[in-house]
This record gives sequence, C-alpha cells and structure tokens, in this order.
Amino acid sequence: ETGVTQTPRHLVMGMTNKKSLKCEQHLGHNAMYWYKQSAKKPLELMFVYSLEERVENNSVPSRFSPECPNSSHLFLHLHTLQPEDSALYLCASSQVGGDPQETQYFGPGTRLLVL
Amino acid sequence: TQLLEQSPQFLSIQEGENLTVYCNSSSVFSSLQWYRQEPGEGPVLLVTVVTGGEVKKLKRLTFQFGDARKDSSLHITAAQPGDTGLYLCAGSYYDSWGKLQFGAGTQVVVTP
Repeated sequence: ETGVTQTPRHLVMGMTNKKSLKCEQHLGHNAMYWYKQSAKKPLELMFVYSLEERVENNSVPSRFSPECPNSSHLFLHLHTLQPEDSALYLCASSQVGGDPQETQYFGPGTRLLVL
Repeated sequence: TQLLEQSPQFLSIQEGENLTVYCNSSSVFSSLQWYRQEPGEGPVLLVTVVTGGEVKKLKRLTFQFGDARKDSSLHITAAQPGDTGLYLCAGSYYDSWGKLQFGAGTQVVVTP
C-alpha cells in the first residue's frame, strides 16, 4: 500500500466511449502525475500538476483530458480513444520542494483496453 | 530528450545465483531511483541514491551510483523467486523540477 489509490483497476472501452480514471493520494503531497506504460517502453510522463495547476503537458493528444480539483485527487478523462491507447495508466504523487530526493509514489495503475 | 538505458532487457536465472542490472545515461543525474514493479501493480521504490560513488545495501540488494553520477547498478546476491519483477531505474536531472526520466526496465525472472 503506497498511499496512492487508482480506480478502476481494469477498463475496457470502445472507441466512441467516454470514461474517467481516478487517482487519490493520502500522503499530503503537492504534486501529482499521470504516466502511460506500454509494453517494453519506458514510462511516458503525460501530465504533471503542482498545487492543482497543470505544469506539464507532454504533447498528449486532446482525447486525454486531465483534471485536478484539489491536491489529493487527479482525474484523466478519456474520449474517442484509439486501440494504440491501450496501456497501463499510472498515477503518482510527490512532495516537490520538501523532499530533497523528490520520491514519487505510484498507484497500482488502471489497465486500459480500447477495442 | 535525455535517454536512460537499462541493460539487459531480460534476465532469467535460477534461485541462488547472482545478477546485476545496469542503468546508464549521457547526462548527469541529480539523483537516481530504483523501482521494482510486479505484474498488475505500480512501481514500488527500492532506493534513491544522490551522491556520486554512493553504495546502498538493502538486504541482498546492493545499489551503486557512479562517481560521475551518470550510471548506476543494482546487484542481487543469492536471488530468490520473490525477486522476480520488472526493475526500473529513474533519473532526476538538475532543473527538472521533480520530473523523472525512466528506463525501459529489466525483466528479472528467478526460477526455483
């Protein structure tokens, strides 16, 4: 138990569906991240939020839309996805500025399959 | 974009053997972290190294950070089946504001 939870753990959706992934951190951190993990590829950083403001968007297609309503919650809204978007989506949190090692703590991920 | 290379990509050994995983970059890290990820789970932090030449031990795991802070290694002594997993290194670079660059990982399989 890392203190970061994600729901759902598994999701199957069609290309015309709209769904949302949820992440919650119970660590009191001030930064949250979305990563995409595909087979045999490095984790790809998608979005970074610090103090509820988006500070990074790594050229992610607009069919992925993040939302951070407060410092403990992070959402990833999905619409009109493509089969190549099938992957494990990981959420992480960290304390930027307070922890010199800036350790990131990961949730268990959402395994997404787009049909 | 800084590249962080891990080798080997895959390692299969028998219980009781030793193994070493490597992580290299052309850029200098401000710190480097090692994670282990098991199927269906997110990565779990094993250790963070921050000082060039640093060596850290975690039971049967030994982590080294190169003097030049561009490379690191993870050595497991007398591997056990519970060591099976995907080992990821992740580097933090100066002025990267907490962002991590991940390697592609080394899949380790330890058979009884």
